[in-house]
Amino acid sequence: DTGVSQDPRHKITKRGQNVTFRCDPISEHNRLYWYRQTLGQGPEFLTYFQNEAQLEKSRLLSDRFSAERPKGSFSTLEIQRTEQGDSAMYLCASSSHGEKLFFGSGTQLSVL
Amino acid sequence: AQKITQTQPGMFVQEKEAVTLDCTYDTSDPSYGLFWYKQPSSGEMIFLIYQGSYDQQNATEGRYSLNFQKARKSANLVISASQLGDSAMYFCAMRAGGTSYGKLTFGQGTILTVHP
Repeated sequence: DTGVSQDPRHKITKRGQNVTFRCDPISEHNRLYWYRQTLGQGPEFLTYFQNEAQLEKSRLLSDRFSAERPKGSFSTLEIQRTEQGDSAMYLCASSSHGEKLFFGSGTQLSVL
Repeated sequence: AQKITQTQPGMFVQEKEAVTLDCTYDTSDPSYGLFWYKQPSSGEMIFLIYQGSYDQQNATEGRYSLNFQKARKSANLVISASQLGDSAMYFCAMRAGGTSYGKLTFGQGTILTVHP
């Protein structure tokens, strides 16, 4: 059990570019979540997968955002045509059927 | 809609002393779960403690205990015997009863600084 892994840890991009983040959950966890955290705030829920099915998307997830979990293992979060307001920490978490969420260390996105 | 309020932007405590971090919540669901997470400067969110709305006793996990007062809608975190490594941001969060998975609503957090 190596914990939840996220890659990259930091990403700097120019406005208008596309970026993709990867999350590798704990191997036996079938539930996977993406959260977004802006400076000085608590994390906000973005989306939830159970196995490969995306079961809920927050209204925060605009059409420029897409998340996938193709084989029910790792997940990717893509942001198209990035805007400065997308600058944030993107956190991935996983869980089994219990209450406890295990979070990764996040990907810090800076849009210039 | 659910709401979590943490009114203490920052707290200071002397090493080995106890400290209480405040959290109030608002929900109309009769069933819900309350959580505390720690976020050190590395960014990772670390689970500390969980309390279910129907749990009769306050949750405890080692040096952490949750002072659950349902009528007042408060779920304060008590850290006993503070250590220098406890210095971090602390978030209170709630899972609403309408979901059976980890869709959490977080508060704004409290920065805890432990002085030697």
